[in-house]
Parts: sequence; C-alpha cells; structure tokens
Amino acid sequence: ETGVTQTPRHLVMGMTNKKSLKCEQHLGHNAMYWYKQSAKKPLELMFVYNFKEQTENNSVPSRFSPECPNSSHLFLHLHTLQPEDSALYLCASSPEGGWGGQPQHFGDGTRLSIL
Amino acid sequence: KNEVEQSPQNLTAQEGEFITINCSYSVGISALHWLQQHPGGGIVSLFMLSSGKKKHGRLIATINIQEKHSSLHITASHPRDSAVYICAVRSLGSARQLTFGSGTQLTVLP
Repeated sequence: ETGVTQTPRHLVMGMTNKKSLKCEQHLGHNAMYWYKQSAKKPLELMFVYNFKEQTENNSVPSRFSPECPNSSHLFLHLHTLQPEDSALYLCASSPEGGWGGQPQHFGDGTRLSIL
Repeated sequence: KNEVEQSPQNLTAQEGEFITINCSYSVGISALHWLQQHPGGGIVSLFMLSSGKKKHGRLIATINIQEKHSSLHITASHPRDSAVYICAVRSLGSARQLTFGSGTQLTVLP
C-alpha cells in the first residue's frame, strides 16, 4: 500500500479517444504531481499542484489537461493523443509543493498505449 | 541547462557486495533526490539531500556541493535491491528546473 493510488493501471486508446487518468492520495498531503516516463528516457515532470492550485506546467502540450478538485485527487484528461505519448504516467504527492522540500510518495503508474 | 549524469548505466553485483552509484550535475541546486524504481514502474523516494550524508538501513547517500556530485551506497547488497536508481536535482534560481538522471539499472545476483 503506497498511499497513492492510480487508476487504471493500464490503458490502451486510439488517437481520437478521450480518457482520464485518476490519482488519489490518502496521506494528507497538499501537493500532487504528474510525471511522464517514456521508454529509455529520463523521468519528466509535467504538472505540479499545491493546495489545489497549479504551480508548474513544464511546457506540456494542451492535449494533456490536468484537474485537481481537492488536495486528495488529481486527474489527467487525455484527448487527441499521439503515438509518442505512449508512456508510463506517474502520480506523486508530498506534504507541500516543490522538490526542494520533502520527499515524494509515488503511485504505481498508469501504462498508456496509443494506437 | 542543467545536466545530470549517472554512472554506471548498468551494474551487476553478487549478493553481499558493496555498491556505489554516482550522480554528477552541472549547476547550483537546492536539493538532490535519490529514487528507486522497481520493475512495473513503482517509485520510492529514498533520500533528499542538500548537504552532507544520510543513512537509512543499508543505504547511504552523500553529497559534495562544491564538487556537484552525489553517491548512493548500498552495503551488503541483496537481490531485492535490484531496481533502477534515479538521481534528480532541483536547480537554484528563478527557473528552479527539475532534472532527472537516466537512471542506473542495478542487478544483484544471489
């Protein structure tokens, strides 16, 4: 039990589909993060939310749309994705935002395949 | 642009061996993190360092801010330590860029 739960674990979708990834944390943390990990590439930070407010967007294409309705839930809405978006998408949380502070707790990830 | 280099890329060791993984970076940082990623993707945050040395069980992490270098050591390695170890740094300044290394694949053989 990691304390950070991601669903679904696996997702296969066509380029014209719309789907959402969900992340939920039961750790009482105030910051949540989305990461992308492509095959044979370093981990990439996508978005950071701190107290439900987006504080970082690392030049992520608009076909990825995050939503943070409260400090415990984070969504990543997907639409019109490209084959190069196939990757492992990881969610994480920490007590407060920013990598200069506390360590993060990660979920197990959603493995996304775009057909 | 901050570069984060890890070495070695791949490491195979026998159970019980002392293991060292290195991380070098090129700009001033506010913190450095060591992460462990197991097959299947799950990531565990091992250490966060801004100076000196930290120890947790058989794991030891050190950082030399002047030399822009950190090491992760594993004592009495075990097959369950087999994983990818990732170094990540947050740079100083207004950009505060977060950069990850490419990871070191460690395999510990019984």
